[in-house]
Amino acid sequence: DQQVKQNSPSLSVQEGRISILNCDYTNSMFDYFLWYKKYPAEGPTFLISISSIKDKNEDGRFTVFLNKSAKHLSLHIVPSQPGDSAVYFCAASAGTYKYIFGTGTRLKVLA
Amino acid sequence: DAEITQSPRHKITETGRQVTLACHQTWNHNNMFWYRQDLGHGLRLIHYSYGVHDTNKGEVSDGYSVSRSNTEDLPLTLESAASSQTSVYFCASSSGQGSQETQYFGPGTRLLVL
Repeated sequence: DQQVKQNSPSLSVQEGRISILNCDYTNSMFDYFLWYKKYPAEGPTFLISISSIKDKNEDGRFTVFLNKSAKHLSLHIVPSQPGDSAVYFCAASAGTYKYIFGTGTRLKVLA
Repeated sequence: DAEITQSPRHKITETGRQVTLACHQTWNHNNMFWYRQDLGHGLRLIHYSYGVHDTNKGEVSDGYSVSRSNTEDLPLTLESAASSQTSVYFCASSSGQGSQETQYFGPGTRLLVL
């Protein structure tokens, strides 16, 4: 039972355009959500997070939106840059220190 | 600078052998985690620890064990390696001081079981 789902395995976007990565979850107890970025042969690195008491969080070019009624979150990258090409994982936790991760979306930003 | 390291970075072993993967963090974090990454599955939690002498099973713990004898280290042992345990393994840590925390990941160990 996949509690956190990333239904798009891959996404290609032109440099300078917006990248939108999506994540759906099933557990209504999740109260903290995160996005991680992973380059090949490296560990995941933290990108941005959002608490369930908010519906939006911004950090520079990265914005995460949370729609609790739809159990959906998205990561917007504007403008997209070639260095953003990586695998992006969403993760969620339900009042504990443990995360449940999605399966990842590979983003390719085309120059 | 504080960091989290894993060793070895690459390991080839044979079916049935015992293998131990090391994880060391210098942040003085209470929480440590082991994940495996496989295509189509993302990152799955194997074991985790919230402090010295505390260990807990994650969603894919069969065939793995951990022990926490100090704050800095959480070694992962594969008791009798199986081909299904060929994967990339990541260790992570978080402080354990707050309610919503960021986990910081090591660089990973790529394990091949022949």
